[in-house]
Order: sequence, then C-alpha cells, then structure tokens
Amino acid sequence: EPEVTQTPSHQVTQMGQEVILRCVPISNHLYFYWYRQILGQKVEFLVSFYNNEISEKSEIFDDQFSVERPDGSNFTLKIRSTKLEDSAMYFCASNHRGSYEQYFGPGTRLTVT
Amino acid sequence: AQSVTQLDSQVPVFEEAPVELRCNYSSSVSVYLFWYVQYPNQGLQLLLKYLSGSTLVKGINGFEAEFNKSQTSFHLRKPSVHISDTAEYFCAVSEGGFGNEKLTFGTGTRLTIIP
Repeated sequence: EPEVTQTPSHQVTQMGQEVILRCVPISNHLYFYWYRQILGQKVEFLVSFYNNEISEKSEIFDDQFSVERPDGSNFTLKIRSTKLEDSAMYFCASNHRGSYEQYFGPGTRLTVT
Repeated sequence: AQSVTQLDSQVPVFEEAPVELRCNYSSSVSVYLFWYVQYPNQGLQLLLKYLSGSTLVKGINGFEAEFNKSQTSFHLRKPSVHISDTAEYFCAVSEGGFGNEKLTFGTGTRLTIIP
C-alpha cells in the first residue's frame, strides 16, 4: 500500500540554524500539507500546497517558514532560523483530487536546543 | 472559524468493555468529519470519515461514529475494546474545498485499555 514517507525521523538543531524537513507524498496525490504537534498539544495546520503554490497558511506559518516541491516527488518544509518553540513533531500529509482523506506520514521530531 | 472539542483527555476502559469517545465541533458551514488514531511513536491513521449520507459511519478495527447535526457531535464508539486499541484518538473537521482543505483537530483522547 502506498504511504507518505518523511525524513529524518528525528532532527536536533541549535537555535538560529536552518532546517529542512523532507516528505515524499503518495505519487498520484496533488494536494500537500504540513502540520505540527507540540508535545502534549493538538495537531495544528501549518500550510497547504497545490499546483506549486501555497493554497492556505496559518498564523503559525510566518516568514521563517517556506515550502517547496523541488521535483516531482519531494515536498519540503524549511525553517530559516529555528527557535526553541519550533520544537515539535512535524507531519506531512497528502490527498488526491476529489478525496477528503488526507494520508499522513510518520512525522519528523524536531528538537531545537 | 471551525473548532473541535474533545472533552475527555484520557479514557481508561477494561478490555472487552464498550467505549465512547466524545467529539463536538463548531462551524458556520457544512463540514466533513474525521477520526484519526495515533499509535505510540507512529503517524496519524484514518479510522473513519463522514462526508455525507448515512449519519452512522463504520471504520476500521470495529469502530463506528454517528454524526448528529443538531448536537454538532461526532462521537466514536466501539462495542468491545482490545488491548491493541490503546492509542491517542483525534477528532478532526474540514470545511471542504475540493480536496484541498485544512483539517482542524481536537486536543485528542488517550484511550487506555485495562487488561
């Protein structure tokens, strides 16, 4: 069964450093998302992406965040200058046209020290 | 703006007993409703979804949920739980949008099965 994959599973970085989280959505999916889950809190929407542009973004998704689909398979989330409060589990998700079921990856745990 | 409330943060249940996990939502438009499960150290897996039609929807692993528009609820039920059902359960809502619409999640309910 096809699945969404994410790398790395765990990333530790120092405050102020740039990080790139990578996702490979399911191959025939057209809509892509990033969510995050701070430890002990709920899953929060960050951004949605379709046709090589952002469809919607939350208040969390400020100028420090960016997303990109550099080729036909990868979907990346970049944080330019990480802060302690960026420490969280980041989930990538995707769905295909006509479906409201989003498939989630296993997540990347980002720890900012 | 849409929102989801899961009143129970933790629910302990004896094995083979029934369980109900509560979810209430708020939205100014018609919604699509979902339950996701998160097993320890894993991602989110869809249990079931309500898009339209019958208000009683059945999902994987013996779970079902009932959409109640007047009470704005979408409670999850299982008649007999198993140890393997121990996990975090998240209710989520989407206001639709041709397959490109954010999910708004509740705070989750941790279901613990007692042997």
